[in-house]
Amino acid sequence: KAGVTQTPRYLIKTRGQQVTLSCSPISGHRSVSWYQQTPGQGLQFLFEYFSETQRNKGNFPGRFSGRQFSNSRSEMNVSTLELGDSALYLCASSLVYNDWDEQYFGPGTRLTVT
Amino acid sequence: DQQVKQNSPSLSVQEGRISILNCDYTNSMFDYFLWYKKYPAEGPTFLISISSIKDKNEDGRFTVFLNKSAKHLSLHIVPSQPGDSAVYFCAARAFNQFYFGTGTSLTVIP
Repeated sequence: KAGVTQTPRYLIKTRGQQVTLSCSPISGHRSVSWYQQTPGQGLQFLFEYFSETQRNKGNFPGRFSGRQFSNSRSEMNVSTLELGDSALYLCASSLVYNDWDEQYFGPGTRLTVT
Repeated sequence: DQQVKQNSPSLSVQEGRISILNCDYTNSMFDYFLWYKKYPAEGPTFLISISSIKDKNEDGRFTVFLNKSAKHLSLHIVPSQPGDSAVYFCAARAFNQFYFGTGTSLTVIP
């Protein structure tokens, strides 16, 4: 079974631009979560989608948004990029996201904002 | 507001010895705890978990201990192997949201 895939793997953008990252979950997984990883903050939860609906949202500004498609693939969008948005963005999928449900992570997209 | 803390950014251990990674948390509503391992250029991979109703869970060389009164979680790796060298993240769940620590980089010296 293929793992979680994320595209692109690396991205360089300029301040003020917007970016869209893509995540394809493991086949059959319906929940997709997004995390931002920075050296000082660890992994911080952005949001989680299940069956095309955002179920949970972390404490990030509205510039960060996402969506999920009917095939469970998910995209994350960041508008008006800031230097502080430079980070590794990880997505994780799980079957249903309930008790004892493990999350499987993709390799991440490394975003650099200059 | 970091609800899950890993106060040791790095740890070095000799091969064959025990590695102990620690994690503290502040939210008493956490009901499920996990450890993830991360190699460079890869996403975190699930290692072991424990429910808040237990105080110990073992899986091969890996044992996780939970001390709810102290709000403390630890991962023991015995014996440590060079392939265990990675960054380890602890995570805790409350209300369907996971909170991660900042990670501890473990180096196992051959």
